[in-house]
Parts: sequence; structure tokens; C-alpha cells
Amino acid sequence: RKEVEQDPGPFNVPEGATVAFNCTYSNSASQSFFWYRQDCRKEPKLLMSVYSSGNEDGRFTAQLNRASQYISLLIRDSKLSDSATYLCVVLPSGGYNKLIFGAGTRLAVHP
Amino acid sequence: GAVVSQHPSWVICKSGTSVKIECRSLDFQATTMFWYRQFPKQSLMLMATSNEGSKATYEQGVEKDKFLINHASLTLSTLTVTSAHPEDSSFYICSAMSSTTTDTQYFGPGTRLTVL
Repeated sequence: RKEVEQDPGPFNVPEGATVAFNCTYSNSASQSFFWYRQDCRKEPKLLMSVYSSGNEDGRFTAQLNRASQYISLLIRDSKLSDSATYLCVVLPSGGYNKLIFGAGTRLAVHP
Repeated sequence: GAVVSQHPSWVICKSGTSVKIECRSLDFQATTMFWYRQFPKQSLMLMATSNEGSKATYEQGVEKDKFLINHASLTLSTLTVTSAHPEDSSFYICSAMSSTTTDTQYFGPGTRLTVL
């Protein structure tokens, strides 16, 4: 079983749509969680950290469910510029800051 | 925000040659740098953790004699792919962790290696 699993997509949505991505992780002792965005042939860029209480940054909302070992990202009012691959990233406890990346979920927003 | 550069951004080489990739933290000191590899449509896979002044720690399955890592200063780590083969063609990305903000990794723009 992969340490971090994501639906690869692609998710093809029209502008203005709301789209949700899910991610599960296998190590129950993981301590930190993140969503990164990666554009084609570019490096990943931190989108937001994910907290148990849930957190929101503009059109983006992230949720963490430790009991289910489940992370989600909700994007509201999708823009064309949101088209990218979204990576679920987990930092295991005692992991010497070794980030574990999911394979990513591709999002394509069309006019 | 913190900036990490990589050089070269892309390289094409013949099979059997060695390629050196540089990773620099431009405005902060990085005691730890990480080297990742990403094949098409796959996730980033950590290859090794590079600590300034000490030997790198390699992940299981990564050959240390093939992927030579040197972290000689607080702002520079290098990855040398020795005797490169077509299967080494990949996107190599480094990240650097500041010695003062140890919960954040800053990624370089990546180096695309194509071995003919």
C-alpha cells in the first residue's frame, strides 16, 4: 500500500465549479500535512498546510480527519489558472523532515 | 520568500557520461537539503538527504555510488549522476530547509535530465 494515495484524475471542470480532492495516508503517527500545487514541468509549490481544525485560504479549504487518516482540498469558484496537479504531502513523525508525496491529482479547468 | 536555484535547468547527455546538478539556497543558510526524482506522471521520490559537512543519507534502493552528493557549504549541494543511462532520465528537484525555520522546505525549479 502506498504511504500517500490520491485519485490521479484528471478532473475536468468548468470555470466557476467547486471541486474536491481526497487523499489518504497510511502512517497514523504522521504529524504534518500539506497540499502542494505543481504545474507541468515545474517544481511543487506549497499551497497550504492542513490542520485538524480545518483551514481556509480564499477559495481553498483544507480538512484533516486523523481518525480516518484522510485529507481533503476543496476549491470553490474554479479559475482557469487553477489547472495544475495537486499533491497531497505528509510529514511522518520522527521523519527527519522527509516529506512523503502523493502522486497527485490533475485538475483541468475549462472555459 | 526563500529562493532556491538549480543549475542547469535542463541537460541532455550521452549514455555513460556524468552530469552534475547544483542546488543553491540564495538568501538563507540550509543545513539540510533534499534531492528528489520525479518520473512522468509519478510522485516525487526522495533520493537522499544531504547535511552540510557530513555524508548524505540515501533512501532504500538509491545507489550512493551512482548518485554522488556533496554538501560542502551551507548554501550549496551538488548531485552527480555518474555513468548516466537512459533510465536515469528524469526530473531532479532539490529542496532546502533553513537552519532557522526547520518546518519549511523550499524547492528548487528542478533539472530535467535526458540521457540519450
